[in-house]
Amino acid sequence: AQTVTQSQPEMSVQEAETVTLSCTYDTSESDYYLFWYKQPPSRQMILVIRQEAYKQQNATENRFSVNFQKAAKSFSLKISDSQLGDAAMYFCACAFGGTSYGKLTFGQGTILTVHP
Amino acid sequence: DVKVTQSSRYLVKRTGEKVFLECVQDMDHENMFWYRQDPGLGLRLIYFSYDVKMKEKGDIPEGYSVSREKKERFSLILESASTNQTSMYLCASSLSAGGRVDTQYFGPGTRLTVL
Repeated sequence: AQTVTQSQPEMSVQEAETVTLSCTYDTSESDYYLFWYKQPPSRQMILVIRQEAYKQQNATENRFSVNFQKAAKSFSLKISDSQLGDAAMYFCACAFGGTSYGKLTFGQGTILTVHP
Repeated sequence: DVKVTQSSRYLVKRTGEKVFLECVQDMDHENMFWYRQDPGLGLRLIYFSYDVKMKEKGDIPEGYSVSREKKERFSLILESASTNQTSMYLCASSLSAGGRVDTQYFGPGTRLTVL
């Protein structure tokens, strides 16, 4: 069974600064995918970024980037130039290929507060 | 844009009642999922469906059942609601069939309280 661990229940950052959210995972599979999802207060969960494990290059999406350390099984999210709208709960998740149909295993979540 | 809707944002039920949570997606997605979200535990998979009338148990299926009679609709059923089923329930869907892993799109969630 796979596990995903987010060890930071809460994080805070000043507007325009950079923050990194941590995530570690444990799996014996070789074909897997990693995701960061954002859940703003009282709003729908949306995808922030995804990373295929077979790709060595770290994924980036505008101000969001990941640091994927496959050997260490670490998948952190870096948010640059933080904005007030980045305040949300962030979930790290893992899915496997093959016949698993992409079902996700989630971490516990990290609440990000952005201070003006 | 993909749209996943859930029948209720808030629901209050009594212990022992049969509860139906409905989820509809409008993008012809093959896969649909039900998760429950609890503080400190993240989201946990209850059931998922990879085709009409096809379903598989997730990590915490006890006390729940599901129905998928049409491709766009996936229902979660609490046969006899209990207080420990008070939670936020999230539905999601994804396009893929077979081995490809596509992004899951989530509904707004249903906050269920069982008294």
